[in-house]
Amino acid sequence: AQSVAQPEDQVNVAEGNPLTVKCTYSVSGNPYLFWYVQYPNRGLQFLLKYITGDNLVKGSYGFEAEFNKSQTSFHLKKPSALVSDSALYFCAVRDSDRDDKIIFGKGTRLHILP
Amino acid sequence: DADVTQTPRNRITKTGKRIMLECSQTKGHDRMYWYRQDPGLGLRLIYYSFDVKDINKGEISDGYSVSRQAQAKFSLSLESAIPNQTALYFCATSDRRRPMFFGPGTRLTVL
Repeated sequence: AQSVAQPEDQVNVAEGNPLTVKCTYSVSGNPYLFWYVQYPNRGLQFLLKYITGDNLVKGSYGFEAEFNKSQTSFHLKKPSALVSDSALYFCAVRDSDRDDKIIFGKGTRLHILP
Repeated sequence: DADVTQTPRNRITKTGKRIMLECSQTKGHDRMYWYRQDPGLGLRLIYYSFDVKDINKGEISDGYSVSRQAQAKFSLSLESAIPNQTALYFCATSDRRRPMFFGPGTRLTVL
């Protein structure tokens, strides 16, 4: 069965600095990978996805993520953090070979300090 | 996202009551999901459905049941609610390769 690990419950970054939110995954086949963001009292919003192709994926609000098959990782990155990026971030994975359900990580709370 | 609607948005109920949460979508997606969110536990999958005749258990299906009344409608029932089912419940939809779209959530409190 597939699984997702987000090893950090919380990440603190100063405004203007680069940020990274970590995600590792486990699937038996080829992964489809996703990042979602949740702002307070809101539902989840899609940020970006990796299906196939280029390992560096660009998404909404200046975010990007790098797929690393050997390390089974899909870390979320942004070159320069904004205070408005403060939110809860979820990584998710689906085993594309099994055309199976989508499993989410526990989430990482990102705090951008002004 | 108005494409996926959930009713009710908030509900307070008592232990032992039957509760139904409803979800409808206008995105034309064939796949629908129910997740619950708890602080520190993230999103956990309750049930999912890939089409009207397909229902599958997720990670935490005990105490829940679902009905896929049509392609656009997927309801979640708690036959006899208990306090540890207090959570934020999300419905979501997707196609095979597209990302999921989430509803606004239903905050359920079981006293």
